[in-house]
Parts: sequence; C-alpha cells; structure tokens
Amino acid sequence: KQEVTQIPAALSVPEGENLVLNCSFTDSAIYNLQWFRQDPGKGLTSLLLIQSSQREQTSGRLNASLDKSSGRSTLYIAASQPGDSATYLCAGNYGQNFVFGPGTRLSVLP
Amino acid sequence: ETGVTQTPRHLVMGMTNKKSLKCEQHLGHNAMYWYKQSAKKPLELMFVYSLEERVENNSVPSRFSPECPNSSHLFLHLHTLQPEDSALYLCASSQVANYEQYFGPGTRLTVT
Repeated sequence: KQEVTQIPAALSVPEGENLVLNCSFTDSAIYNLQWFRQDPGKGLTSLLLIQSSQREQTSGRLNASLDKSSGRSTLYIAASQPGDSATYLCAGNYGQNFVFGPGTRLSVLP
Repeated sequence: ETGVTQTPRHLVMGMTNKKSLKCEQHLGHNAMYWYKQSAKKPLELMFVYSLEERVENNSVPSRFSPECPNSSHLFLHLHTLQPEDSALYLCASSQVANYEQYFGPGTRLTVT
C-alpha cells in the first residue's frame, strides 16, 4: 500500500531560523513529488515539484530534495518568517494516483 | 478569472438535498481531480479525469457523482449525503505530461 508520512506533525520556531520538514513514502516507484502549503481553511498552494529523475529543486528560500532509494524528501526553509506559518504537505505522484501526507503545521514566532 | 476556481465556497445542505459543486480551471490543463479533506485526515483523492475520461474512482460512495463535460469544467453532484461527508472539497488540475497539480480554494460542505 502506498503511504506518505510527515515528521514532525507540528513545529514552532523563532523567526530567522532555518528549518527542515521531512516526508517519507513507502513506494519508491514515484513519478514525482510535490510540496504544498495550506493556510487554514484554504486550498493548497504549490511550492516545488521534483521529478523522479531530479535530486532537488529550489525556489527562493525553499529547497526540496528527493532520495528515491531511501523513500525520503525534505523541504528546507531558510531564514523563516512569520508569513511562512502554515501547514506543509507533500504528495507522491504515481501516475494517475496521488498520495498525500498528513502535513506538518509550522508556526514561526516573531 | 485565473487559476482554478470553485463555487460555491460554502454550502450547507440537509441529508435529503441534491446539490452540485463546480470547478473551473483557466490553465489549459487536461486533467482534473476531486479531493476530500476531513479534519485530522490526509487529503483523499476521490476522482480523476484525464482528457475528459474518468480514470480513477477510489471507492467513493455512489452518493457522490462526478461529471466532466469538457477539459475546463468539473462537477461533483451530491445527493442523500451523510453528516460524515462534511468536509472541505478541493478541486485540482494538471497537465497529464507532468502531473504538477494546482488547487482551487475549496468548497466547505456541511451536511446537517
């Protein structure tokens, strides 16, 4: 069964810290992996997409890595800001099927 | 309008009602998706339409009925729902070529 887990479930950090969010998937036959953020009661905003042939992707202060062999992806956020507070979700894509993790709820304190 | 839009944003319905959720994408994508997001649970993929053909139906009860009349529009028809169907329903779209998903804002559904 394809499953995605995320650790930690919640994280609280002071503003300015660098942090890492973790995503693990059980089926390594992944087509791509996508990271999203979700603000309370809202839809998902795409942050980064990593194809299975890639090792990492960067966008501004965000860097996502993918290691298929170990079934892991990480999202690195540099110099965190209060506006980064949200729930971060990762999703494994297996063709027409998408499997989401439960998310990590991030709070960045001013 | 840009991106993916959903209407209505909020819906309250009784268990005997019939209603429909609408999703429209303005991105030129050729695949569309319905998801259910309940409290304390990961997003659940309900239906997938690729090139206007339904390709995935993840054991969803028949009281949920999807419709995809063209590549830009997706509907979710609801009838005789249960209180446990109360959730945030999210629509997404992508290109079949790369499956990078873009989401709408969701419809908050409450079944009374």
